Amino acid sequence: AQSVTQLGSHVSVSEGALVLLRCNYSSSVPPYLFWYVQYPNQGLQLLLKYTTGATLVKGINGFEAEFKKSETSFHLTKPSAHMSDAAEYFCAVTPWMDSSYKLIFGSGTRLLVRP
Amino acid sequence: EPEVTQTPSHQVTQMGQEVILRCVPISNHLYFYWYRQILGQKVEFLVSFYNNEISEKSEIFDDQFSVERPDGSNFTLKIRSTKLEDSAMYFCASIAGGASYNEQFFGPGTRLTVL
Repeated sequence: AQSVTQLGSHVSVSEGALVLLRCNYSSSVPPYLFWYVQYPNQGLQLLLKYTTGATLVKGINGFEAEFKKSETSFHLTKPSAHMSDAAEYFCAVTPWMDSSYKLIFGSGTRLLVRP
Repeated sequence: EPEVTQTPSHQVTQMGQEVILRCVPISNHLYFYWYRQILGQKVEFLVSFYNNEISEKSEIFDDQFSVERPDGSNFTLKIRSTKLEDSAMYFCASIAGGASYNEQFFGPGTRLTVL
């Protein structure tokens, strides 16, 4: 069964530092890939997605992610962290040819931004 | 901007009671979902619904759960006899469907507390 692994349940960075949140998926056929953000006591908001085409995907709030098939990875980055980036980040996939288009989520990474 | 809405935002119930969680998906969307998130854990798929029937359900979605789209706008999740372990945040989501994949739009969630 398809699974998503997010390395690091907590990541702490200083304001202005690079943000790198890791995501790996388990599938021989690349799925559709997503990053969602969840602010405290709120729902899930799509940051970015990869379905086909260019492997470097730009999203909202200055985030981007690169799909690397050879590494089965879809890591999320932001060049310079802002205090408002503090939130929980979830990587998710929809398996290729999944007729229900359901999302399978990773366990999440809580991003802490230090002043 | 269209959005998915959910009511109530917080539901407290006694163990063994029935609860109905309500969602209003975006009006032209075709695929509907329920997910849950137990406190501190990842978001888990429960069920998908398309063309007025369940298209897929997870192992979590046992006989105690049911979904309905009674009137073309609301999408409900019923838990017949709640257990303590049903305490979680429940998210509704929808996508437009069509020839190309579209992002899932999530509602703000209903926090269910079973006492």
